[in-house]
Amino acid sequence: DQQVKQNSPSLSVQEGRISILNCDYTNSMFDYFLWYKKYPAEGPTFLISISSIKDKNEDGRFTVFLNKSAKHLSLHIVPSQPGDSAVYFCAASAVRSQGNLIFGKGTKLSVKP
Amino acid sequence: EPEVTQTPSHQVTQMGQEVILRCVPISNHLYFYWYRQILGQKVEFLVSFYNNEISEKSEIFDDQFSVERPDGSNFTLKIRSTKLEDSAMYFCASSGQVYSGANVLTFGAGSRLTVL
Repeated sequence: DQQVKQNSPSLSVQEGRISILNCDYTNSMFDYFLWYKKYPAEGPTFLISISSIKDKNEDGRFTVFLNKSAKHLSLHIVPSQPGDSAVYFCAASAVRSQGNLIFGKGTKLSVKP
Repeated sequence: EPEVTQTPSHQVTQMGQEVILRCVPISNHLYFYWYRQILGQKVEFLVSFYNNEISEKSEIFDDQFSVERPDGSNFTLKIRSTKLEDSAMYFCASSGQVYSGANVLTFGAGSRLTVL
């Protein structure tokens, strides 16, 4: 039961270019979407979130876009830096169950100098 | 920066043994969680805990699992009789609020459990 899907297991990008990570979901009850970043031997770290009433949220180099009709969201990182190399998880939650985050499988981003 | 700390970082146990994983959430947080990630699979929700009781649990969290907040700082996950399929990385998390807005969880570094 894959309610949150990240179809690209890996992505390689040149430093300074844009990284685009994609996520699809199936459950229309989801109200919030979050991106977490994970380095090896560490827990997931919160990056950015977006409410289902918005279509864009920006925080510095990170922007999340939400297309509700397509049940699709994406994370843009620009410019990409080598320190951004990590596994990125998309997660979703519903208001009535906000502590229960449904995660995607993750996309491993490699930013090459 | 406040962090969630977990011990042990790695535990190896024999099948059928009891295991307790420990967590110290962020001190002013009120909501506590356990998640797990089996190797190569997704991070999965196990249980949420608020006001000294379980507020939600997943199908994974069966009678073999229990959680406890024995004092004001620790939050534990107990697996009563471990099975091979319990081998996973277990993440503790905490949050300060669960109302209007994204519930941002702060995760610990995880405890790797290996069941032989």
